[in-house]
Formats: sequence, C-alpha cells, structure tokens
Amino acid sequence: DGGITQSPKYLFRKEGQNVTLSCEQNLNHDAMYWYRQDPGQGLRLIYYSQIVNDFQKGDIAEGYSVSREKKESFPLTVTSAQKNPTAFYLCASSIKGARGGTNSPLHFGNGTRLTVT
Amino acid sequence: GQSLEQPSEVTAVEGAIVQINCTYQTSGFYGLSWYQQHDGGAPTFLSYNALDGLEETGRFSSFLSRSDSYGYLLLQELQMKDSASYFCAVSTYNQGGKLIFGQGTELSVKP
Repeated sequence: DGGITQSPKYLFRKEGQNVTLSCEQNLNHDAMYWYRQDPGQGLRLIYYSQIVNDFQKGDIAEGYSVSREKKESFPLTVTSAQKNPTAFYLCASSIKGARGGTNSPLHFGNGTRLTVT
Repeated sequence: GQSLEQPSEVTAVEGAIVQINCTYQTSGFYGLSWYQQHDGGAPTFLSYNALDGLEETGRFSSFLSRSDSYGYLLLQELQMKDSASYFCAVSTYNQGGKLIFGQGTELSVKP
C-alpha cells in the first residue's frame, strides 16, 4: 500500500542538539510539505517542495532546514536555532502543488512528536 | 497577508446536523479544502470547493461562496466517531503551491 512514513513517532532531544525527522512517500507525488502543530492549534507551514532539488520557505522556516535530493524523501532538520522546537511535526505530500489549479489533496503521515528538554 | 477564521469549538448530539463555518481573507484565492483530524492522528482530506455551491460526499457536504469569502462544512447524521478537529484550508494562485490552514474547530459529539 502506498503512503507516507514518518519516523520516529516520538523523539526526545536535549536543548542545543540538531535533530532530523524522516519523511518518506511511495505515492509518486511531486510536492511535499512540512507542517508544525502545537497543542490546540492549526497547522503552520515550515517548508515545502514542489519538485526534486527545489524547496521554498513556509511561514515559520526560521530554525529549520530541509533537503529534497530524492522525490520520495523530504527530511526536516530542527536546528538548535529553533527557539521552541517541542511540537507535533506532520509531513504531507500531494500530486502537484496547490497552485497547480487542481484538486490535489494532501496526504499526511502519522507525525513525529518531538520533545526538547 | 492571509487569514482564516473558524470557531474553536462546536458541540452537538448524535444524529444531529452541525455546520462549521470558515471565513477567509486572501488574495488570489483558488480553492477551499476541509480536513479532519482525530486526536493525535494524521489529518485526512474531506472535501474541496473551487466553485460556488455545495459539494456532497455521503454524510458530509461543503459549501463555498467566493463573493462572500465564506465556506462551511456540513455534517449530517452525526456519529460519535465524528468527534475530531476540522480544519479549513485555502490554496491560492500566488502562494507557490502551499496550503494555508485555519486554526481548527474541535467538534464534540455527545450521546
């Protein structure tokens, strides 16, 4: 079955350490996204990529970095510069970017809950 | 900038009908989507409207009025399993392929 896999489900890190969250999809989707969700709040866009080797900042990119070397993979690194990294991180993909003018729903992974102490 | 407004909480009883509203302010509006998220889980796509009017999918319907910058999600014959958070999201021509989400509405279905 096709889908998006995020690993690990729970991640614990000490303050000051960089940490990389994995996101892999086998849906053959062009576009991939990273969202952050804080308790009782909506999804805020961190980074997105519409094609391999290209990505754009979302609304809250500071303290994060990404790469898109393969179509299937879009890892997110939470750096020590991110002031408040504890959150639920959701990766998603879609056939095309939303601007494509298509009804191109996002398919989400099950998320990684990161706790930094 | 862009903004979306939806109620933070709605409560209804099993078997009832509930409407969750979403108003938006954005330039280059393209479409409005709705997603459902159960506690701690992955959001799942429910519906999409690019044109004015009502889209029906089983017990769920979604409505859009582009002139009023307004949409709603209608849930009929509510079931306990419908208790979840519901998010509206906008896509635009000029935002380079990204989807912007509202803060979400937590729906509680009571017996």
